[in-house]
This record gives sequence, structure tokens and C-alpha cells, in this order.
Amino acid sequence: DGGITQSPKYLFRKEGQNVTLSCEQNLNHDAMYWYRQDPGQGLRLIYYSQIVNDFQKGDIAEGYSVSREKKESFPLTVTSAQKNPTAFYLCASMREGEGNEQFFGPGTRLTVL
Amino acid sequence: GQQLNQSPQSMFIQEGEDVSMNCTSSSIFNTWLWYKQEPGEGPVLLIALYKAGELTSNGRLTAQFGITRKDSFLNISASIPSDVGIYFCAGQLGTGTASKLTFGTGTRLQVTL
Repeated sequence: DGGITQSPKYLFRKEGQNVTLSCEQNLNHDAMYWYRQDPGQGLRLIYYSQIVNDFQKGDIAEGYSVSREKKESFPLTVTSAQKNPTAFYLCASMREGEGNEQFFGPGTRLTVL
Repeated sequence: GQQLNQSPQSMFIQEGEDVSMNCTSSSIFNTWLWYKQEPGEGPVLLIALYKAGELTSNGRLTAQFGITRKDSFLNISASIPSDVGIYFCAGQLGTGTASKLTFGTGTRLQVTL
């Protein structure tokens, strides 16, 4: 089955530790995106990547880093510089030329203790 | 970053009732998307709209792209318990993978028997 997978589903970390969230897609989509969702709010864009080895900052990139070494993978690192990292993190992907439809993974809930 | 105004914030309705929610923006968009999110999951795309004035249906769901390009609405007819969730609108100005989505704050729908 084609789709987007995120792992793990739940993640707990101590304050001050870096943590990496995984996002993999087998849809052959060109672009991948990371969003953050806080309770009662919409989605805010952290980083996105249109092609391999290239990525752009979104609206709330501070305290986060990404890499795009392979088309199917776009991991997100939440660094200790992120002041309020506890949130629900969503990865999405989109194929160039197929309208503007982004498809989402199931999400990772990160809790920093 | 901008977020769209989505209303109502929440709705409590009885099974069988029709539902209407809308999204407004101070900026114009070329695309409107409607997503549904269930607790602890990623958003799922329901309907995509690409042309001002366009009216599109997907089963019991109907959505319209406002003629001013600054608004969109989503109707659900004859609601059922599995319609429960949070519905998000998203607007996009450009096309392709470089053009970012702007999300609404969500409408939480509860359906009682």
C-alpha cells in the first residue's frame, strides 16, 4: 500500500535533548512538508522540501532542522533550542503537477518532560 | 504566519441534521482544500476546489469556492456518527510544490444519536 508513515506514534523526551522524528513516503512524491499542530489550532508549517538535497524554512522553523538525502525520507529534528516542543507533528507530501493536494501521515505526538 | 478564520469553532448536532461551516480570508487564494482530522490522526483530504465559483460534491459533502476567492464553505448532509472530527480548510495562492498551504483553525463537529 502506498502512503506516508511516521514513527514513532508517541515520543517522550527530557528537556534539553534533541529528538528526530521520522517521515517516509512511498508515493513517489516530489515534495515533503513538516507541520506542527497545537491543541485547538490549525497546522503551522515548519520546513518543506521540493526536491532532494534542498529544503526551505516555513513559518516556525526556529529550533528545528531537517534533511532530505532521499526522495522518500524527510526526517525532522527537534533541537533543544525549540522553546516549546511538546506538540503533534505532521508530515505531508505532494507530487509536482498534481494540483495542490497535500497528503498527510498519521502524526507523531512529542511530549517533552 | 497567517491563519484563516473558520467558523463555527465547534458544533453539536443530532444525527441526520445538515451541517454548514465556512472559511474566510483577507487574501485571495487559487485553491481551497477541505480536510477532516480524527483524534490522534493526520488530516484526510475531503474535497479540493480549483476555480472561483466551483461547487464540488463528494458523497454527502459539498464544498464551494467563493466567487471573491476569499472564502469557501463545506456542507455535510444527513450527518452520521462517523462524521465526528475536526474539519480544516486550507487555502493556497500559487500552484505546485513551492506554494504553501494556509490552514484554518478548525471546526470541531460532534454528532449525537
